Formats: sequence, C-alpha cells, structure tokens
Amino acid sequence: GENVEQHPSTLSVQEGDSAVIKCTYSDSASNYFPWYKQELGKRPQLIIDIRSNVGEKKDQRIAVTLNKTAKHFSLHITETQPEDSAVYFCAASTYSGGGADGLTFGKGTHLIIQP
Amino acid sequence: GAVVSQHPSRVICKSGTSVKIECRSLDFQATTMFWYRQFPKQSLMLMATSNEGSKATYEQGVEKDKFLINHASLTLSTLTVTSAHPEDSSFYICSAPPDPLETQYFGPGTRLLVL
Repeated sequence: GENVEQHPSTLSVQEGDSAVIKCTYSDSASNYFPWYKQELGKRPQLIIDIRSNVGEKKDQRIAVTLNKTAKHFSLHITETQPEDSAVYFCAASTYSGGGADGLTFGKGTHLIIQP
Repeated sequence: GAVVSQHPSRVICKSGTSVKIECRSLDFQATTMFWYRQFPKQSLMLMATSNEGSKATYEQGVEKDKFLINHASLTLSTLTVTSAHPEDSSFYICSAPPDPLETQYFGPGTRLLVL
C-alpha cells in the first residue's frame, strides 16, 4: 500500500517569512495530493490540492509543487501570519474512473508562527 | 463547499457497550464515504471505505466485526463500535467526495471516550 512521509514534524518561522513542508510518497499509482490544515479538536480543512497532470498550483499565499519522477510534493506558504499556526497534513490517493480511494496521510507538521 | 455532518460530536460510554456514529452528506449524494480514526497528536488513519448498497472495504488491521459500517442511503453512513474498550477511545472522522472525482470533505468528527 501507499506510504507517505512528511517533514519536518515541527516548523517554527517568524511572521512574514515563508514555510515549506515536504512529503514523499511510495506508490507510483497515486495521482491526487491534497493538503489539509487542522486546528486543535477540529476537522481537517482542505487548503490546496494537486493532481498528477500538473507540476505546480498556486492559490494566493499557498502553493504546492509536485515532482512525479521523484515522488515528492511540497507545500509553500508565503508571508506567514499568526493564523497560519496549525497542524498541516499532506495526503495521497488514487483517482480512477471508478472514483477515489481513501487518503493516506503523512504524520503531520506542527507549524508555529512566531510574532 | 460540500457539507458533511457527524453525530454525535462526542460520546462517553462504559467498556463493553456499543456506540453508533452517523455521517451525513447534507447537500450532495455520496456513493462512497470514508471512515478515519485519529489518536491524540497523531495523523489520520483510514479505517474503511463505505459503499452505498454493498459491503464496506476495511483496511488491513481493522476488525470488521468490531467496527460495523452500514451505508444504507446515498446520504448516510454509520459506524458502530461494538463492545467498545478504552483503547477504542479516539477521534473518528468521516469524509465524502461530492463527486467520485472530487476532493473529500470531512465531517466535524466524533470524540469517543470509553471508560
């Protein structure tokens, strides 16, 4: 089955700086890679996702890059703000004509934005 | 975005009792729903895939006789934790894609505490 590795486990950055979280996956059949933000005690919220037919996707301060050959994808947050502090999870899944498989999650990154 | 609800939000029960958790898609129909479990300060782990009108598919290591899943309609999946024990205490979260090729939206989760 799929295995997703995520680094770092904790990331502390100064407000206004950029944050980068990296993930690798093992199953070359995986073709869908979402990123979720989870605040304490709450549900994961999708912040951005990318499919394997593109290499990069951007939404305002958030961007995701995908390298299919190397089987890794990264989350980039620019101009970090205090409200960006949370736990971030990467995930991988396979979409086919029959629908989606369940998500395999990385272990999470606790992002701390220092004022 | 699509709305997924769960009920109850938290439950406390005695060891040996059974607990039923409901997952509903409020504004879309879902032929497939997913059940995840999250222990404190850990990642989400896929437990099973719930398929409307057919048997659920369980991940390796998840006891199907202990975690009963029923997907009786296109908007409702239920997870029943049978003969619950303290080690079953966890955060149970469901998710569903509005379309088989769409991203998954998570319910708010159910916090189960078994005494």
